[in-house]
Amino acid sequence: NAGVTQTPKFQVLKTGQSMTLQCAQDMNHEYMSWYRQDPGMGLRLIHYSVGAGITDQGEVPNGYNVSRSTTEDFPLRLLSAAPSQTSVYFCASSYSGLGENYGYTFGSGTRLTVV
Amino acid sequence: AQSVTQLDSHVSVSEGTPVLLRCNYSSSYSPSLFWYVQHPNKGLQLLLKYTSAATLVKGINGFEAEFKKSETSFHLTKPSAHMSDAAEYFCVVRQPGGGADGLTFGKGTHLIIQP
Repeated sequence: NAGVTQTPKFQVLKTGQSMTLQCAQDMNHEYMSWYRQDPGMGLRLIHYSVGAGITDQGEVPNGYNVSRSTTEDFPLRLLSAAPSQTSVYFCASSYSGLGENYGYTFGSGTRLTVV
Repeated sequence: AQSVTQLDSHVSVSEGTPVLLRCNYSSSYSPSLFWYVQHPNKGLQLLLKYTSAATLVKGINGFEAEFKKSETSFHLTKPSAHMSDAAEYFCVVRQPGGGADGLTFGKGTHLIIQP
């Protein structure tokens, strides 16, 4: 089925470990983004990309890196995990920002715990 | 700057009774507005969207929302609640140039359905 696929669904990390959260979409969407969801906070933007080779920071980028080598994939890297990064992470994609009529398609999320 | 306020963090209704989830927004320009639903341990699913066409928008699962510019509101309603409607609901505003990706999320409303 077409959509946004996130892996893994669950992950436990020790403080200081690194890992990559994977995100892939098969809808040829130019726009992809990463959000974190914390209780009572809604979703906050971490990083986003408007196309292959182009990324930019969102509201809460510290501690995270991204790259966009292909249209389909947009991995999120935690270089040195901290307990404050315990959260649920969502990847989303959309047609380009010029397509204001389009909503976003979200993945099912990665629940990350840092101990 | 744009912002979204979901006026109730929790709403509880009985099955078969109407649902009203309230959302107010502020925006410098004509925004696009969305409602998303998130069932437990799931990703976000688009319920409906307003993009400057008809002010009364019909979405999936019997939900609808009315855009009222004079009141800067975009309340979500459903005539008769079903147990499967129990979930978290997010109001989202999008405008060109309104932040890193133009999206601002409300903090969410938890809808509880009493049998």
